[in-house]
Amino acid sequence: QQQVKQSPQSLIVQKGGISIINCAYENTAFDYFPWYQQFPGKGPALLIAIRPDVSEKKEGRFTISFNKSAKQFSLHIMDSQPGDSATYFCAAPRDGANNLFFGTGTRLTVIP
Amino acid sequence: NAGVTQTPKFRVLKTGQSMTLLCAQDMNHEYMYWYRQDPGMGLRLIHYSVGEGTTAKGEVPDGYNVSRLKKQNFLLGLESAAPSQTSVYFCASSPSGGLRQFFGPGTRLTVL
Repeated sequence: QQQVKQSPQSLIVQKGGISIINCAYENTAFDYFPWYQQFPGKGPALLIAIRPDVSEKKEGRFTISFNKSAKQFSLHIMDSQPGDSATYFCAAPRDGANNLFFGTGTRLTVIP
Repeated sequence: NAGVTQTPKFRVLKTGQSMTLLCAQDMNHEYMYWYRQDPGMGLRLIHYSVGEGTTAKGEVPDGYNVSRLKKQNFLLGLESAAPSQTSVYFCASSPSGGLRQFFGPGTRLTVL
C-alpha cells in the first residue's frame, strides 16, 4: 500500500529561521505532491504543490524541493513567522489520481 | 459560496448509539471524501465517492457506512459507535480527480 513517511513529528523554530519538513514516498502512479497547512480547530488547506517536471517550486516564503530518484520531497519555509505555526501534511496520489495518501503531519511552532 | 460545510460540529455518543454526519459542498465538485484525524496518525481516508451514487472504501472503512444520493451531499454513518471511533472527522471535496481537496471545518466526535 502506498505510504508517505513524514518527519519530523514536531518542530520548533525561532522567528526568522528556516523550517524544513521532509517526506518520502514509496510508489505512485501519478506524480503530484501537495502540502497542506492546518491551523488549530480548522480543516487542512492546500498550501503549495509540485508536479515533478521541475525539481523545485517556490511561492513566496514556501518552497518545495523534489528528488525523484530518492523518492523524497521537502517543504522549506524561509523567514519563518509566528503566523506559520500550524500542522503541515505532505501527500501523494493513491488509487491512480482519485485521492491522496497523507503523511502523519508535522506540528510547527515558530517562537517570536 | 460556503465551500464545504459539516454538521454537527461536536457530538458525544454512548457506546452502541448510531449517528450520521452530514457533509455538504456548493462547488459542484464530483469527488467527496471522509477522513478521520487522530494524534500521530495524520489523516486517514474512511470512504470516498467519485460521483453521485458511487462510493468506495478507503484505508479505515470498518464500522462506517456512507451514501452519496445527491452530488452536493456525502453522509457518513456510524451504526454502533465504539470508543475507538472517538476522533475528529473531516469531509473534503475535489473537482475531477482527487489531487486538490477542499476541506470542511471538522466534526469532533467523542464516544463514551
